[in-house]
Amino acid sequence: DVVLTQTPVSLLISLGGQASISCRSSQSLVHSNGNTYLHWYLQKPGQSPQLLIYQVSNRFSGIPDRFSGSGSGTDFTLKISRVEPEDLGVYYCLQRTHNPYTFGAGTKLELK
Amino acid sequence: EIQLQESGPGLVKPSQSLSLTCSVTGYTITSGYDWSWIRKFPGNKMEWMGYISYSGSTNYNPSLKSRISITRDTSKNQFFLQLNSVTTEDTATYYCARSGPHWGQGVMVTVSS
Repeated sequence: DVVLTQTPVSLLISLGGQASISCRSSQSLVHSNGNTYLHWYLQKPGQSPQLLIYQVSNRFSGIPDRFSGSGSGTDFTLKISRVEPEDLGVYYCLQRTHNPYTFGAGTKLELK
Repeated sequence: EIQLQESGPGLVKPSQSLSLTCSVTGYTITSGYDWSWIRKFPGNKMEWMGYISYSGSTNYNPSLKSRISITRDTSKNQFFLQLNSVTTEDTATYYCARSGPHWGQGVMVTVSS
């Protein structure tokens, strides 16, 4: 199985600050069709996960441009600028390139 | 607007089967996409369990392959999860989801005698 190593495990960020989360894969996430199926989700307390970024860098509908995704191959990053209270929760990366699909272990974003 | 809703017992005894239903509104499950079951264990670990595609084919996580079955009732626009021979390690919140942004609210299932 593809292992996604997500770091850090937790982040303490001040309101208005910037957060960066890394997701490193044990193998390339480039699909044979050329696409890279690496996605980012946020699970807020008491809610189901919501899609933030799909295929590395595409913001899902309604997601503010404070969220950005980048990377390629095995190394991916989610950046959150100007952190707001609504951004708190657990962030996950998910790969759907290889079977079985796998998640990172999660990064908990908390306010300092 | 597409909505997914899980339902099923919140308590299952060890060695028994766990059965959950995902009811979908706002989209016909035979029209497209994969329809998945995902679970979140106590703590933060998430596991993709498997899916049934819009055409009815299935794809399971090999770690569960001998215990899992995902089926559907197209007349009711529902799909189902059955997990056999459960243990306490199957205690989790179970989500149904359409590939991408659409997830149900989740149902917590405890395996305990």
